[in-house]
Amino acid sequence: EVQLVESGGGLVQPGGSLRLSCAASGFTFSSYDMNWVRQAPGKGPEWVSGITGSGRSTYYADYVKGRFTISRENSKNTLYLQMNSLRAEDTAVYYCAKESGYRSGWDAFDMWGQGTMVTVSS
Amino acid sequence: DIQMTQSPSSLSASIGDRVTITCRASQAISNSLAWYQQKPGKAPKLLLYAASRLEGGVPSRFSGSGSGTDYTLTISSLQPEDFATYYCQQFSSPPPTFGQGTKVEIK
Repeated sequence: EVQLVESGGGLVQPGGSLRLSCAASGFTFSSYDMNWVRQAPGKGPEWVSGITGSGRSTYYADYVKGRFTISRENSKNTLYLQMNSLRAEDTAVYYCAKESGYRSGWDAFDMWGQGTMVTVSS
Repeated sequence: DIQMTQSPSSLSASIGDRVTITCRASQAISNSLAWYQQKPGKAPKLLLYAASRLEGGVPSRFSGSGSGTDYTLTISSLQPEDFATYYCQQFSSPPPTFGQGTKVEIK
């Protein structure tokens, strides 16, 4: 069974840091581009960051560039998101999402984790 | 960034109704469009990709169409389990962007 399980969320003060993890199983992890997508309470999903299967290329939304770092450890089937200089507006459920691989380049997200809540508040 | 605009933002419908949701992109996206269903407290679930291709396991009452900047999601006969929020997403040009959502409620 294809599964993504996020962890690492929690309550953090503004300016603080968190590291999210996403453990993947049921598919050849290194063959797929992966992403982080967040969703603030009552809002729609918002793409945060993406990484190619090899890990060689990474991409960021403007609002997290320079503060967040995406990485992956294919030997451990795990995706990470290091979040620094957190702001109140980063408060959201963070999902890891697998790209479907139906075409090269960007494509749809065919599998999502259950999400982990990040709350930035003093 | 490509802006995705969905309409309506919400609708009320009855079991068995035909429901259509539209999504307009701020520029042509060459069918690089996905539709997701989200229920409260759950992650989005992929329904269709490439504008009209049904994801495995998704009921055939869901269909998608469109081209250029304008796309539609149709539910041919609304079922109780279809009451949810639906989002479109473009992946033609980074960053991937989502519509604001359409909430389908029971009439």
